[in-house]
Amino acid sequence: QKEVEQDPGPLSVPEGAIVSLNCTYSNSAFQYFMWYRQYSRKGPELLMYTYSSGNKEDGRFTAQVDKSSKYISLFIRDSQPSDSATYLCATKTGANSKLTFGKGITLSVRP
Amino acid sequence: DGGITQSPKYLFRKEGQNVTLSCEQNLNHDAMYWYRQDPGQGLRLIYYSQIVNDFQKGDIAEGYSVSREKKESFPLTVTSAQKNPTAFYLCASSIDRGGLAGAYASYNEQFFGPGTRLTVL
Repeated sequence: QKEVEQDPGPLSVPEGAIVSLNCTYSNSAFQYFMWYRQYSRKGPELLMYTYSSGNKEDGRFTAQVDKSSKYISLFIRDSQPSDSATYLCATKTGANSKLTFGKGITLSVRP
Repeated sequence: DGGITQSPKYLFRKEGQNVTLSCEQNLNHDAMYWYRQDPGQGLRLIYYSQIVNDFQKGDIAEGYSVSREKKESFPLTVTSAQKNPTAFYLCASSIDRGGLAGAYASYNEQFFGPGTRLTVL
């Protein structure tokens, strides 16, 4: 079993839809949970991060972590065509430890 | 204008050749990383360096080599021993100073460069 599993996609939604992106992980030592956004042929950029369990909201984006079920989610409200990208979840055990990435899911938001 | 630069953007290599990918950062970060990204595979860590003149193997180091002679530079050489080198290569850096007071002390974000796409002909 891989340490971080991510829904493979791709995912296509109409503009304005609510998008739910999910990952599961197996290592209970993971404490930091990140979502990266990667546009085509570009490097990933950090979208959101959460420490331990709970929710974090930033504009149209909400990151959610449930450590009891080892489940990570990213919700995008009122999705826009500019949200079309690959989304990667990532985790790590400590601030200075290495990142473990999911495989990424490609999202397409249709105008 | 701070950031991470990678060059070249596209690179073509003949089988049996070694090639070196450049990564430079002016963020004054201590740690630097090399990842490889294949379609549907996410990012896999090749090598990382937490300090000048020191580096560690990641999960897929075979067929690759690195050096860290300067804080701002972390070049990656893809050797002929790498059996399947065609991929998108990403360099990243982070502060990586445990205990340093500041916004990123408790998190230590990795910042990524724009990537180099290597194709073996």
